[in-house]
Amino acid sequence: QITLKESGPTLVKPTQTLTLTCTFSGFSLRTSGVGVGWIRQPPGKALEWLAVIYWDDDKRYSPSLKSRLTITKDTSKDQVVLTLTNMDPVDTATYYCAHSREPSGFWVDYWGQGTLVTVSS
Amino acid sequence: DIVMTQSPDSLPVSLGERATISCKSSQSVLNSSNKKNYLVWYQQKPGQPPKLLVYWASTRESGVPDRFSGSGSGTDFTLTISSLQAEDVAVYYCQQFYSTPVSFGQGTKLEIK
Repeated sequence: QITLKESGPTLVKPTQTLTLTCTFSGFSLRTSGVGVGWIRQPPGKALEWLAVIYWDDDKRYSPSLKSRLTITKDTSKDQVVLTLTNMDPVDTATYYCAHSREPSGFWVDYWGQGTLVTVSS
Repeated sequence: DIVMTQSPDSLPVSLGERATISCKSSQSVLNSSNKKNYLVWYQQKPGQPPKLLVYWASTRESGVPDRFSGSGSGTDFTLTISSLQAEDVAVYYCQQFYSTPVSFGQGTKLEIK
């Protein structure tokens, strides 16, 4: 079955760079149509899409965060890495890694459990 | 960017009764070439990640109870729970994937009356 798990720091300081790793199993990012993305959710608030990377290395980013985001994949390790630079307290959120099976647009059929990242000095 | 607006923000419903959640998009999410609406619905229970309920606006995901149904086209969509069960208490989100950036509604909190 498909599983995804996020890993990374739970606490970062303002201006630091956040690096999150999504390690997945049950599918391959070499498979046509498959994408892995990141979505975040501030405490008590709604979901916000951040980025997605597809099997063909096509990458899409949220325009509002594009200058700060980088998404990469390592198909040999079944991992996707997200970096977010210049962290601010407003970036405090649960960050979810997610699988998408639909190449015509990003929607999620499998979610990781999420990792809460707090930005504080 | 497409803005998704859900209503109501909070919905109290009695057990066994019908629950209806609305989602409106600021522009059409209907692809005229394939006649598909690029909209999904998720359910999120406290402390859990969201769960996919419906895709293409009206196709129920495998394993989702048939009391959940999605409808609508263009800019107006509805998620209906035909007979509310206690385990349906959650926040429900719609999301469009017609254009990047994909966007979510603000969520509707479904409660027991």
